[in-house]
Amino acid sequence: DQQVKQNSPSLSVQEGRISILNCDYTNSMFDYFLWYKKYPAEGPTFLISISSIKDKNEDGRFTVFLNKSAKHLSLHIVPSQPGDSAVYFCAAEETSGSRLTFGEGTQLTVNP
Amino acid sequence: ETGVTQTPRHLVMGMTNKKSLKCEQHLGHNAMYWYKQSAKKPLELMFVYNFKEQTENNSVPSRFSPECPNSSHLFLHLHTLQPEDSALYLCASSQWDRSRGLAGLGIEQYFGPGTRLTVT
Repeated sequence: DQQVKQNSPSLSVQEGRISILNCDYTNSMFDYFLWYKKYPAEGPTFLISISSIKDKNEDGRFTVFLNKSAKHLSLHIVPSQPGDSAVYFCAAEETSGSRLTFGEGTQLTVNP
Repeated sequence: ETGVTQTPRHLVMGMTNKKSLKCEQHLGHNAMYWYKQSAKKPLELMFVYNFKEQTENNSVPSRFSPECPNSSHLFLHLHTLQPEDSALYLCASSQWDRSRGLAGLGIEQYFGPGTRLTVT
């Protein structure tokens, strides 16, 4: 039973346009959500996070939106740059837990 | 060295071999983790150490044996592995916030580059 799902294994966008990566979850106890970015031959690096008490968090070109009623979050990157090409993982944590639950990842390719 | 380092970066071993993966964090964190990433699958948490004590073992087979001698070092001892154990093994660390209790674990984990393990 996968509690965090990223249904799009890949996404391709043009440089300068918006990239939207989506993530759905099933566990209503999740209260903190994170996005990680992973380049080949490197470990995932933390990108941005959001608490369940918020519905939006913005950091430069990156914005994460949380829709608790739909159990859905998304990462917006605008404008997209070729250096953003990587695998993006969505992760979630519940208040009573001690672990991060990850999605399968989405490969983003930004074309020049 | 900065961040989280892992050695070796690549490892090929037979099913009867014994080997160890090493992780070291230079961030002053107090919690460390082992994850397994198989192709096309989410990262799977294997073990959690908080202040050198194992707080979670996510139903991992006994052929994987973790060791955390101090808050900066974490090992994963491997013996009699199976070909399906071939994967990328990632180490991570984080700063556990006591005020959040157990939920303090997991926030903003910092990952090493991983060890690509192939079992033949």
